[in-house]
Amino acid sequence: GAVVSQHPSWVICKSGTSVKIECRSLDFQATTMFWYRQFPKQSLMLMATSNEGSKATYEQGVEKDKFLINHASLTLSTLTVTSAHPEDSSFYICSVDHGTGEGEQFFGPGTRLTVL
Amino acid sequence: GESVGLHLPTLSVQEGDNSIINCAYSNSASDYFIWYKQESGKGPQFIIDIRSNMDKRQGQRVTVLLNKTVKHLSLQIAATQPGDSAVYFCAEKRSRGKLIFGQGTELSVKP
Repeated sequence: GAVVSQHPSWVICKSGTSVKIECRSLDFQATTMFWYRQFPKQSLMLMATSNEGSKATYEQGVEKDKFLINHASLTLSTLTVTSAHPEDSSFYICSVDHGTGEGEQFFGPGTRLTVL
Repeated sequence: GESVGLHLPTLSVQEGDNSIINCAYSNSASDYFIWYKQESGKGPQFIIDIRSNMDKRQGQRVTVLLNKTVKHLSLQIAATQPGDSAVYFCAEKRSRGKLIFGQGTELSVKP
């Protein structure tokens, strides 16, 4: 399986600032990565599909201007939460898909964002 | 997003007992399903998967059952151990590789 890392593992920021979260596929070249958000005691909600070399595809209800995704290489996707507010506080998780159409996705360890 | 934002149901079992965790899915066209285990503060870990042309698949101490008629999945854990305590999610794979997660169940194993 793929090994996926995220950085930072946790971040605290002030309201109105922007925060960048990195997702790296350490042993697999990923043309597709996914970003999820998870609130406490809730399920994972898919936010967007990150496509290497092209624009991300956002799920309905997710603001693309607020959650900027860049997938500039086959091993790195970044999620930037712009002008963060307390309601953006959440656990953000990325995953890598092998792209074969089957097989599980491999998840990163998550990033805990707290906006004060 | 499509995943359900409800609070997690819980299942409490005694160590050594078998656990059964249930999940309903929504899309009858989904043809691939996965069970994940998520420990507190960590990302989901793969447990077992099943394709829609099967109704049962077994792994080490785990079995997944698929009932397409009623769009229902279950995960059976044999001889549940304290290390099995976690939140368990089913997920259905949609087009372009998207995973849609179910509600999740929090499993608590009492020693």
